Amino acid sequence: GDSVTQMEGPVTLSEEAFLTINCTYTATGYPSLFWYVQYPGEGLQLLLKATKADDKGSNKGFEATYRKETTSFHLEKGSVQVSDSAVYFCALSDQGRNTPLVFGKGTRLSVIA
Amino acid sequence: DGGITQSPKYLFRKEGQNVTLSCEQNLNHDAMYWYRQDPGQGLRLIYYSQIVNDFQKGDIAEGYSVSREKKESFPLTVTSAQKNPTAFYLCASSTGTLNTGELFFGEGSRLTVL
Repeated sequence: GDSVTQMEGPVTLSEEAFLTINCTYTATGYPSLFWYVQYPGEGLQLLLKATKADDKGSNKGFEATYRKETTSFHLEKGSVQVSDSAVYFCALSDQGRNTPLVFGKGTRLSVIA
Repeated sequence: DGGITQSPKYLFRKEGQNVTLSCEQNLNHDAMYWYRQDPGQGLRLIYYSQIVNDFQKGDIAEGYSVSREKKESFPLTVTSAQKNPTAFYLCASSTGTLNTGELFFGEGSRLTVL
């Protein structure tokens, strides 16, 4: 079945450092890909998405490019802030099947001043 | 404001008791979901519902029950049969088909079994 694998956390960075959180996927169909963010004590919210190969999703300085050849959707940000401290979830949905979103296990990011 | 409201935010339960978590949405979304979140486990799907009076089991439905009598409401009951119920529970909703992927989440309910 479909699955998403994220890099293990926690990830700890200094403010203004470059961030990469790796995400790879396995899908039998043709997936759409998503990044969700969960701030402390809250639910998840959609950060960005991409629906076809080579699409780049972007929001709040974060970016991720849908790479079909490497089955990846890595999240990047050029300069992180303390307020970016959160748990980040990669997810996929199968465009050909009416089934719920599949989530990765999440990666906790801590940014220190 | 439109959104999803979960209650209570914190709940304590004695072993052997059933407890019901509330989830209400005013987004006019057709689909609703319940997820369980444990440290290091990510999100695991408990139940989901695409329309009123219909719902399906997710990956970890054992020990849980749901109902969908109204479009805006999708309560989750954690029964005494659930072996390890202490967790953070998240409700979500979406419009259109299940594979749109754009879910709206509530702020969660943290259940602790004493």
